[in-house]
Amino acid sequence: SQELEQSPQSLIVQEGKNLTINCTSSKTLYGLYWYKQKYGEGLIFLMMLQKGGEEKSHEKITAKLDEKKQQSSLHITASQPSHAGIYLCGADRGSQGNLIFGKGTKLSVKP
Amino acid sequence: DGGITQSPKYLFRKEGQNVTLSCEQNLNHDAMYWYRQDPGQGLRLIYYSQIVNDFQKGDIAEGYSVSREKKESFPLTVTSAQKNPTAFYLCASSPGLIYNEQFFGPGTRLTVL
Repeated sequence: SQELEQSPQSLIVQEGKNLTINCTSSKTLYGLYWYKQKYGEGLIFLMMLQKGGEEKSHEKITAKLDEKKQQSSLHITASQPSHAGIYLCGADRGSQGNLIFGKGTKLSVKP
Repeated sequence: DGGITQSPKYLFRKEGQNVTLSCEQNLNHDAMYWYRQDPGQGLRLIYYSQIVNDFQKGDIAEGYSVSREKKESFPLTVTSAQKNPTAFYLCASSPGLIYNEQFFGPGTRLTVL
C-alpha cells in the first residue's frame, strides 16, 4: 500500500528565515495536495500538483513535484508567525478515489 | 457562505455509549469523507461516500457507521465497539473522488470518559 513520509516531523525557525518541508511517496503520485492546519482546527487547502516537474506558488509558499512524481517539497520564503501550524501532504490513491495523508510537519516560527 | 459545518466542536461521552457526529455541506459536492486524527498519526480515512445512499469503508471503519440519505449530510456514528474512540474527527467533501481538492470542516473533538 502507498505511504507518505514527511520530513522533518517538526521545525522551529526564526521569523524571516526560509524553510523546506518534504513529502516522499513509496509509489508514483497522481495528485499531490498540500494542506495547512492550525491546532484543533480543520485543514486549509494550499496547493495541488499533478504533473512531474510542476511548481506552484501562492504568496510566499512554493510547492514542487519532482519529475519522477515521487517527492514533493513545500518551501516558505521569509517565514512569518502566521505560517506556524501543521503542514500535511495528501496523495490521490488512484482508482480508490480518496486521499492518503502523511503524518504532518509541525512548524513553529519564533518572532 | 458555502462550506462544511461539523457539530458540536467538543463532545464528551461515557464509555459504552454510541455517539453521532454531524457533518453538513452546502457546496453541492458529490463526495464526502470522514477522517480520524490522532497525535502523531496524521489523518486516517474511516468512511467515504461518492453518492447518496452509497458509502465505502476506509482504512479504519471498524466500530464506526455512516449514512448518506441526503447529498448535503454525512453523519458518523461512533459505536461502543470502537475501542479507542477519543480523537479529533474531521469531515471533508469534494466535487468528485479523483483529482479533486477536499474541503474540510472545523472538526469535532470527541472524548470518551
